[in-house]
Amino acid sequence: DAKTTQPPSMDCAEGRAANLPCNHSTISGNEYVYWYRQIHSQGPQYIIHGLKNNETNEMASLIITEDRKSSTLILPHATLRDTAVYYCLHGGSARQLTFGSGTQLTVLP
Amino acid sequence: KAGVTQTPRYLIKTRGQQVTLSCSPISGHRSVSWYQQTPGQGLQFLFEYFSETQRNKGNFPGRFSGRQFSNSRSEMNVSTLELGDSALYLCASSISPREQETQYFGPGTRLLVL
Repeated sequence: DAKTTQPPSMDCAEGRAANLPCNHSTISGNEYVYWYRQIHSQGPQYIIHGLKNNETNEMASLIITEDRKSSTLILPHATLRDTAVYYCLHGGSARQLTFGSGTQLTVLP
Repeated sequence: KAGVTQTPRYLIKTRGQQVTLSCSPISGHRSVSWYQQTPGQGLQFLFEYFSETQRNKGNFPGRFSGRQFSNSRSEMNVSTLELGDSALYLCASSISPREQETQYFGPGTRLLVL
């Protein structure tokens, strides 16, 4: 199975940008990078995905390095509601998602 | 537009019993996938349905089964429950089973097996 590496935890001050890194050195050329988050005891929430170009939506921005071996999810103005576990993933099939252990982001007031 | 709904939200069963969980996808979504999430194993894919047909199946024993109805609603069934089946069961829907189609998750059903 494809593996990603994320820091286990990060803190961010409310109102500041949260930058969450992910290493996915085993990614192959046609695989997308996906980001989901999960607030305690709720279902995962889709955030954003990308292939090679940087992407932005109403929730976040995704920066993918040129070699595609790593990416960074950016929450531009973190709020307390952004406290969650953030999962970065890729895989041979986007239909069979596999989450790693993710990054616990804590937004501090 | 309403999100993915799952019922029941919480369930307590005893070993040996069976359980049926229900999932209603987002309106217009025809693909439904099921996942099991536990602290030890993380998120694991169970199966995916589209047009009432199972398209993919994860590495779970035959005690885990599912089906999809003509209105795209789906159910999964676990027979002869074991303590290790205690988990959060998540349903995700997408418009179609196209490879990169985004999946949207429901809130899950938390199953506790005693």
